[in-house]
Amino acid sequence: GAGVSQSPSNKVTEKGKDVELRCDPISGHTALYWYRQSLGQGLEFLIYFQGNSAPDKSGLPSDRFSAERTGGSVSTLTIQRTQQEDSAVYLCASSPAGEVGEQYFGPGTRLTVT
Amino acid sequence: AQSVTQLDSHVSVSEGTPVLLRCNYSSSYSPSLFWYVQHPNKGLQLLLKYTSAATLVKGINGFEAEFKKSETSFHLTKPSAHMSDAAEYFCVVSYTGGFKTIFGAGTRLFVKA
Repeated sequence: GAGVSQSPSNKVTEKGKDVELRCDPISGHTALYWYRQSLGQGLEFLIYFQGNSAPDKSGLPSDRFSAERTGGSVSTLTIQRTQQEDSAVYLCASSPAGEVGEQYFGPGTRLTVT
Repeated sequence: AQSVTQLDSHVSVSEGTPVLLRCNYSSSYSPSLFWYVQHPNKGLQLLLKYTSAATLVKGINGFEAEFKKSETSFHLTKPSAHMSDAAEYFCVVSYTGGFKTIFGAGTRLFVKA
């Protein structure tokens, strides 16, 4: 079946502009995660959704970052007033109910803020 | 605090020789442990997982890992490295009843011909 998809694959934006990153999880997966991976770094947890609820938003770096999930499916990560330090690959993953660590990752969105 | 430590940032082996990538975790509750692999310019892929069944876990591409509670370790091994194994490997821990997954910093594996 179809895996996790993310769009766009690449995004170049000017400092100060807003961006929206989209994630389509595997159908039926109840959990959805957003991570950030900066060059040469590990994965930084951003936010987790169980269904449409986000029990833990503590990983979001600042109030410029927000995320939502609708219909227990598609999720959007929004970054307002982008800064150069926001440049990174943003990864989305989904997992089946009850399988927290067994995550299926999308290819990521590479965000470059100029 | 829950944490996972990958003891080597880089490991270099010759093709055909054994691979050992080391991982230690903090032990608060019953952990589930995973190894993920990320090939250059590719997405992350689950290699194997431990969820309190057999302590020796076999994964894809000939990799396996052994859960050692007394040592709080979950090292990844492969008897014979192949050039295609060159990638970044991440050790991951999650805890029963929780949802947060904690990624290690990663170990980059180089395989020499």
